[in-house]
Amino acid sequence: AQSVTQLGSHVSVSEGALVLLRCNYSSSVPPYLFWYVQYPNQGLQLLLKYTTGATLVKGINGFEAEFKKSETSFHLTKPSAHMSDAAEYFCAVSDAGTASKLTFGTGTRLQVTL
Amino acid sequence: KAGVTQTPRYLIKTRGQQVTLSCSPISGHRSVSWYQQTPGQGLQFLFEYFSETQRNKGNFPGRFSGRQFSNSRSEMNVSTLELGDSALYLCASSSQGSTGELFFGEGSRLTVL
Repeated sequence: AQSVTQLGSHVSVSEGALVLLRCNYSSSVPPYLFWYVQYPNQGLQLLLKYTTGATLVKGINGFEAEFKKSETSFHLTKPSAHMSDAAEYFCAVSDAGTASKLTFGTGTRLQVTL
Repeated sequence: KAGVTQTPRYLIKTRGQQVTLSCSPISGHRSVSWYQQTPGQGLQFLFEYFSETQRNKGNFPGRFSGRQFSNSRSEMNVSTLELGDSALYLCASSSQGSTGELFFGEGSRLTVL
């Protein structure tokens, strides 16, 4: 069975500071990994995904993540936080056989302060 | 290109009733998935339909069911509602051959009293 662990349910950073949201996964098969963002009263929007190939993945809004198989991690980073980044972020895993069946982490709420 | 549309956005039901939620996917997308989001359990996969057939199913009781029509629109039904069914129900669509990139609607927020 696949699972995702997101460390830290709440993360607070200052505007302009580095954003680091942690995600570790467990999967018995090569995983597909995703980061989604959810703004209040909205659905989820894909930030970036890793399927195969390059392990450093760049997404929208300046976010990127690195797939580290040895650490079973897929942490999300952004060099400089903006107020508009305040939202809830979800890491998710699936596999090639059931690509649309995502297993989500519990989410990390990012707060950005002045 | 219109996004995923879910109706209704908000609804209130009482225990024992049933509810039907509707989802219109992005034009051309043939896969529709449903997820339940609650504060306690987070985001959980309900089921996925592709070309009118259920392709994957999550671990939910039989009270939760769905279907997909020939135009790819999908409905999910919850019968004999329980208080614990109060949740945001999210629909997502994806294109054939997708590697998991889901496009989500804004959800239907169900409150069971």
